[in-house]
Amino acid sequence: LAKTTQPISMDSYEGQEVNITCSHNNIATNDYITWYQQFPSQGPRFIIQGYKTKVTNEVASLFIPADRKSSTLSLPRVSLSDTAVYYCLVGDWDNYGQNFVFGPGTRLSVLP
Amino acid sequence: KAGVTQTPRYLIKTRGQQVTLSCSPISGHRSVSWYQQTPGQGLQFLFEYFSETQRNKGNFPGRFSGRQFSNSRSEMNVSTLELGDSALYLCASSSSGGRETQYFGPGTRLLVL
Repeated sequence: LAKTTQPISMDSYEGQEVNITCSHNNIATNDYITWYQQFPSQGPRFIIQGYKTKVTNEVASLFIPADRKSSTLSLPRVSLSDTAVYYCLVGDWDNYGQNFVFGPGTRLSVLP
Repeated sequence: KAGVTQTPRYLIKTRGQQVTLSCSPISGHRSVSWYQQTPGQGLQFLFEYFSETQRNKGNFPGRFSGRQFSNSRSEMNVSTLELGDSALYLCASSSSGGRETQYFGPGTRLLVL
């Protein structure tokens, strides 16, 4: 299973762009990269998923370099409500189902 | 569509007891996964069920077991509870597993005294 490494915590100010990088040196060829957001006392919520290059949706962008050994979640113009823990997952699905490892997560604090 | 629901939301048990947690996936979803979340270990995968069959299993002792019913609802059972089993237990569902987005429930917070 591919293990991930993320910064434990990050601080930002409202309106700034936040980039959270996840390292996954032993990512396998078929592995996808997925990011989740979690607020206290709630289950994680899907943010974005990608395999290579760049993926963008209405809330975030995901940048994946060619070697795929890392990925960066980019949150544009964060607000106080973006204060949460962000998890990077690397995994794939095989005949036995999904095979994911949740990293320790990055606690993002957005300050006014 | 209604989201993933988990019952009960909070539970207090004593060591040695057993507990059963329930998860109702989003309507139409056939894959249900269970996770344990603790401050020390973070989010850890327990197992996944698909069409009433356990399809994948994490690294947890046999005291942790589960099952899935024909309507895709799932239960998780922990026998002979230990203090270290105190955690938030999360259930997630997806349409068919695979590269499908998982939708998490609010979790059941279990406290073992």
